[in-house]
Amino acid sequence: GAGVSQSPSNKVTEKGKDVELRCDPISGHTALYWYRQSLGQGLEFLIYFQGNSAPDKSGLPSDRFSAERTGGSVSTLTIQRTQQEDSAVYLCASRASGPYNEQFFGPGTRLTVL
Amino acid sequence: RKEVEQDPGPFNVPEGATVAFNCTYSNSASQSFFWYRQDCRKEPKLLMSVYSSGNEDGRFTAQLNRASQYISLLIRDSKLSDSATYLCVVNKGGNAGKSTFGDGTTLTVKP
Repeated sequence: GAGVSQSPSNKVTEKGKDVELRCDPISGHTALYWYRQSLGQGLEFLIYFQGNSAPDKSGLPSDRFSAERTGGSVSTLTIQRTQQEDSAVYLCASRASGPYNEQFFGPGTRLTVL
Repeated sequence: RKEVEQDPGPFNVPEGATVAFNCTYSNSASQSFFWYRQDCRKEPKLLMSVYSSGNEDGRFTAQLNRASQYISLLIRDSKLSDSATYLCVVNKGGNAGKSTFGDGTTLTVKP
């Protein structure tokens, strides 16, 4: 079946612009995660959605970052007034219910802020 | 202290070598554990889950030690294609709880 998809695959923007990154999780997966990964670094947790529960936003680095998940499926990560330090690969993952299920990752969106 | 800690390496080993990675976690209530593999400029992919009794998949063996709060990954007869970053992942449990990733251990297998 289809895996996690993300769009765009690459995004180049100018400092100060807003960007939206999209994630389509695997159908039926109740949990959805966003991570950020800078070159040569580990995964940085950003936000986690689980069903209809309030999202865990504890990883969002500033109030310029926000995310929503509509209808329990597609998610959009929005970065307002982008800064050069926002340049990274943004990875989305989804997971089926149950504590023993693994996360499946999308291919990521590579964001470059000039 | 990070919730999940890994030795970053790099580990440089010759083909055919046996190499082991450890990962420690701080939350004793953690419920499930995984090893992921990430190739350069690619997304992480599941290598194997880690079960309480330990588990093996071909050349790969994963072990869990709840008392000492660490998990390990053993790779036997290393291949060039094993070169990658290996990420330790710990789940806090619940219906689909938040996962914490280690920063990864980099392995390079040389001819």
